[in-house]
Amino acid sequence: ETGVTQSPTHLIKTRGQQVTLRCSSQSGHNTVSWYQQALGQGPQFIFQYYREEENGRGNFPPRFSGLQFPNYSSELNVNALELDDSALYLCASSPGLAGNNEQFFGPGTRLTVL
Amino acid sequence: TQLLEQSPQFLSIQEGENLTVYCNSSSVFSSLQWYRQEPGEGPVLLVTVVTGGEVKKLKRLTFQFGDARKDSSLHITAAQPGDTGLYLCAGARNYGQNFVFGPGTRLSVLP
Repeated sequence: ETGVTQSPTHLIKTRGQQVTLRCSSQSGHNTVSWYQQALGQGPQFIFQYYREEENGRGNFPPRFSGLQFPNYSSELNVNALELDDSALYLCASSPGLAGNNEQFFGPGTRLTVL
Repeated sequence: TQLLEQSPQFLSIQEGENLTVYCNSSSVFSSLQWYRQEPGEGPVLLVTVVTGGEVKKLKRLTFQFGDARKDSSLHITAAQPGDTGLYLCAGARNYGQNFVFGPGTRLSVLP
């Protein structure tokens, strides 16, 4: 059984650019949640995708958007990058909505915005 | 303002010592989770507690959910270097809602 994988591992961008982060969910899981973890803080919920539909969103602006594919893998897109977007971006998959099921986290993508 | 507060923020102890870390809120949670996160990895779930006053044990780790379901503690007996990591608590206000994470306690156990 393959765990949750994320790509790329590290990424450096400049202000104003756009970025796409990718997540492959664990086999049998239909839900992916994305979190932003700034240095020294706990993960902050961005949004959740359940069966290809957004199902719940945290306090993040619209320039944070996502997508879930029929195989339940997911993308996180961030437009017009700002310096404060520098963080570890975590995705987590679960066999159903994250509030009712155990989440399994990937290793994260570390994004640096210069 | 953090919905969940964790204390202490940092803790450095010697191998073999006992320790307790705390997770507090003014809000009531339907369930609360504890995770451990190691450098370069995502958080790994340790336990979920759902009943006020509930105590769960996982080897040398003891988790307690407060009677009022507003706070929780994690006690580690005879800490080992392998316990080093960031300990995060996360709470869900209502059943089925997404969990909100606290800022974490960074534990370092020195050999």
